Amino acid sequence: QQQVKQSPQSLIVQKGGIPIINCAYENTAFDYFPWYQQFPGKGPALLIAIRPDVSEKKEGRFTISFNKSAKQFSLHIMDSQPGDSATYFCAAGGTSYGKLTFGQGTILTVHP
Amino acid sequence: DGGITQSPKYLFRKEGQNVTLSCEQNLNHDAMYWYRQDPGQGLRLIYYSQIVNDFQKGDIAEGYSVSREKKESFPLTVTSAQKNPTAFYLCASSPQVGRNEKLFFGSGTQLSVL
Repeated sequence: QQQVKQSPQSLIVQKGGIPIINCAYENTAFDYFPWYQQFPGKGPALLIAIRPDVSEKKEGRFTISFNKSAKQFSLHIMDSQPGDSATYFCAAGGTSYGKLTFGQGTILTVHP
Repeated sequence: DGGITQSPKYLFRKEGQNVTLSCEQNLNHDAMYWYRQDPGQGLRLIYYSQIVNDFQKGDIAEGYSVSREKKESFPLTVTSAQKNPTAFYLCASSPQVGRNEKLFFGSGTQLSVL
């Protein structure tokens, strides 16, 4: 029940494309869903986060879509750029748990 | 410059040896964490600490030990009992545990076995 399943494992798109990364969770007590971005040799950094009271959140070219009934959420990157090439992790957390559970990660490559 | 400093960046362990990874933060955060990153497995929590002199096991604590004698420091020891220690180790901090707040990560330590 603590697992967060992320797909795909890797993704290749052309510049300007819209990569979509999906995550699914089981535990209905989760109430915080962040996405982290990690460049090679660096630690992850928070990209965007959503709470289940909204179905969508946008920050610049990054959008989270959230489907509470399906227990799924996804990250969309609009007008993707080569500089977006990185590993992306979804995560889920709940106030009662006190710590995040991370997905397996998606390696995104954006070709020029 | 505020943040989390991990050292060393690369570390090699011999058979039967204990090694210690350093993590220091100057963000004045109460909570600190250690994660292990393996390809295709995401980030898995090893230990976390909510306050000085207190820490809890995460999901994969076996073969690891920690201490929290100072608020700004949370070193991780990889003991000889950890049979598969090769991984990228990440230290993180947040203002408090359990508040769903942003995690701040260090740049990691790559541990390899000789």
